[in-house]
Amino acid sequence: AQTVTQSQPEMSVQEAETVTLSCTYDTSENNYYLFWYKQPPSRQMILVIRQEAYKQQNATENRFSVNFQKAAKSFSLKISDSQLGDTAMYFCALKDTDKLIFGTGTRLQVFP
Amino acid sequence: GAGVSQSPSNKVTEKGKDVELRCDPISGHTALYWYRQSLGQGLEFLIYFQGNSAPDKSGLPSDRFSAERTGGSVSTLTIQRTQQEDSAVYLCASSEEGVSWGGEKLFFGSGTQLSVL
Repeated sequence: AQTVTQSQPEMSVQEAETVTLSCTYDTSENNYYLFWYKQPPSRQMILVIRQEAYKQQNATENRFSVNFQKAAKSFSLKISDSQLGDTAMYFCALKDTDKLIFGTGTRLQVFP
Repeated sequence: GAGVSQSPSNKVTEKGKDVELRCDPISGHTALYWYRQSLGQGLEFLIYFQGNSAPDKSGLPSDRFSAERTGGSVSTLTIQRTQQEDSAVYLCASSEEGVSWGGEKLFFGSGTQLSVL
C-alpha cells in the first residue's frame, strides 16, 4: 500500500531565507510520481512541483526545488528566498499505479 | 467552465439529515477525486473515478457515504444521516489522466465546507 509521511506539522522561516520541508513515502512500484502541493488560506490547492521517479535529476521550479532520494524514499522540498506569499500548508503526494494520496501536511509560516 | 466547480461552498445541516455535494470537473478530464479535509488536517482520500473503470471506493469512511459520477462528468457525493464528525471541507479534483501517465496535475475546486450541528 502507498503511504506518505510528513513529520513536520509546522515550520517557520524568515523572509528571504531558505527552508526545507521533509517527506518520506512508501510504494512497491518502481515507477511513480511525487508532487508538492500548496494550500494557501484561500483553500485553493496549487501544484508547486512534480518529480518522475525514473528521472534522477531533481526537479526545480524557480525558487522551489526538490531533493529526491529514491533509495531512501525521501522527497524534500526546498524553498529559497522565502516570501510572505509562501505562507501556506504544503502537502506531499504520491501517485503510482493506484490513486493519488497525500501526506498530513506541513504548515509553513514566513515571517517578515 | 475554466476550473473545477463545487457547490455549495458552504453547507450547514442538522445531525441526521442527508446532504449532497456537487462537483463539476474540467471538461474532458477523465479522473475525478473526492478528498476530505478536517480542520487543520491533511487530505483524506475518499473515492476515485477514472474513465469507465469501477470507482475506487476504498477511502469512504462508512456506508453512509456514497458517490456517483454521471456521464463521466459531474459527480455527487452523498452523506446520509450526517454526524458531527462529518464536519469538514470536502474537496474535489480532476485531471486529464492518460496524457502523461501518473504525472498529471490535479486541478482542485475550492471545496465545500460542511458543518453538522
